[in-house]
Amino acid sequence: DAGVIQSPRHEVTEMGQEVTLRCKPISGHNSLFWYRQTMMRGLELLIYFNNNVPIDDSGMPEDRFSAKMPNASFSTLKIQPSEPRDSAVYFCASSSGFDTQYFGPGTRLTVL
Amino acid sequence: EDQVTQSPEALRLQEGESSSLNCSYTVSGLRGLFWYRQDPGKGPEFLFTLYSAGEEKEKERLKATLTKKESFLHITAPKPEDSATYLCAVQPNSGGYNKLIFGAGTRLAVHP
Repeated sequence: DAGVIQSPRHEVTEMGQEVTLRCKPISGHNSLFWYRQTMMRGLELLIYFNNNVPIDDSGMPEDRFSAKMPNASFSTLKIQPSEPRDSAVYFCASSSGFDTQYFGPGTRLTVL
Repeated sequence: EDQVTQSPEALRLQEGESSSLNCSYTVSGLRGLFWYRQDPGKGPEFLFTLYSAGEEKEKERLKATLTKKESFLHITAPKPEDSATYLCAVQPNSGGYNKLIFGAGTRLAVHP
């Protein structure tokens, strides 16, 4: 199994630009999670999808962040406009129901 | 409020020097407790799930144990390749979905 796939692995952008992060979950998993990891705050859940439907987006920091899951194989996390404080590593994870969450390799975002 | 505290924040060991990492938690009801390993620049990698007090799981030099208030990750005769950040996460009964609450992690360095 290929595991969770994320792209790009690294993204450097300037403040005000739109950033789109992509995730392909493990085939057969019906739950998808987006996390953000920083030194100060550790791993934080941003949003959770179940069967492609957003269930809990209470962790999304503000309206500049949005996420979609158009089908079971693909999800995006978009930041528009980006700000330097958005710099972090963003992880996507997937699971089958309440089973183990498996994480992707992450996207390291740097906003200048 | 559900909370996870890991200690110590950082641990330096000599190769072969056994030790334990602690994960203390407060949660209204525990569905499961997860241990992950995270190497620099990579996503968290699943190690163990524990579901009930008294349960133990082992993998190579690692053994995880669970009580009603905390979990320990015991490392026996560690090797330099065991150097990583170890994350603990609790999965509450409440919330209705596969929500994980992560601790800040313990950074382990094993020196030859």
